Amino acid sequence: SQQGEEDPQALSIQEGENATMNCSYKTSINNLQWYRQNSGRGLVHLILIRSNEREKHSGRLRVTLDTSKKSSSLLITASRAADTASYFCATSRNYQLIWGAGTKLIIKP
Amino acid sequence: DSGVTQTPKHLITATGQRVTLRCSPRSGDLSVYWYQQSLDQGLQFLIQYYNGEERAKGNILERFSAQQFPDLHSELNLSSLELGDSALYFCASSVVAGTNTGELFFGEGSRLTVL
Repeated sequence: SQQGEEDPQALSIQEGENATMNCSYKTSINNLQWYRQNSGRGLVHLILIRSNEREKHSGRLRVTLDTSKKSSSLLITASRAADTASYFCATSRNYQLIWGAGTKLIIKP
Repeated sequence: DSGVTQTPKHLITATGQRVTLRCSPRSGDLSVYWYQQSLDQGLQFLIQYYNGEERAKGNILERFSAQQFPDLHSELNLSSLELGDSALYFCASSVVAGTNTGELFFGEGSRLTVL
């Protein structure tokens, strides 16, 4: 069963705006990861945040983790058309990665 | 390029048939994962191998089987195919297989269409 739940399911914003996606999970985790999938393509790893970390940055990406609320957020700043994709969170626990259903992000020109 | 190679990229077959999907992991990666993704759906974990041994099993049907060979490539066998098996099948690999799963590298997938 899927542990992670992304919110919103779909998000449409103007190019240049910031996009925020959220992920909630149910059990304790070792780490939480975010992946991007362009339509019909393989997933690409974006960022990994460990359970003892609260915030991590990578370029225009900022990920936060709140273990007390069992939630994470992915912020993409200054969005570009190329950011149009589906974004998945995955939580690592006991040898497995548990995936959310994804957020579909559309960047309008 | 993730370094993970999947073949074939596209496959069209009929109900009741059997197909084999092949995956070559990134050089040095010992873990291989298989996932199924139906149209506009999330990822369904099927099975994981580590260094030739089955490590974890997900929602894999009895009609499906997989193995990882000594050279670390893996094959996913799908038999008695049904229309509902039409999906993208992804292979991913990673270095570690401990309780703390690190970054996965995904192939481009094999798109299976069952008619």
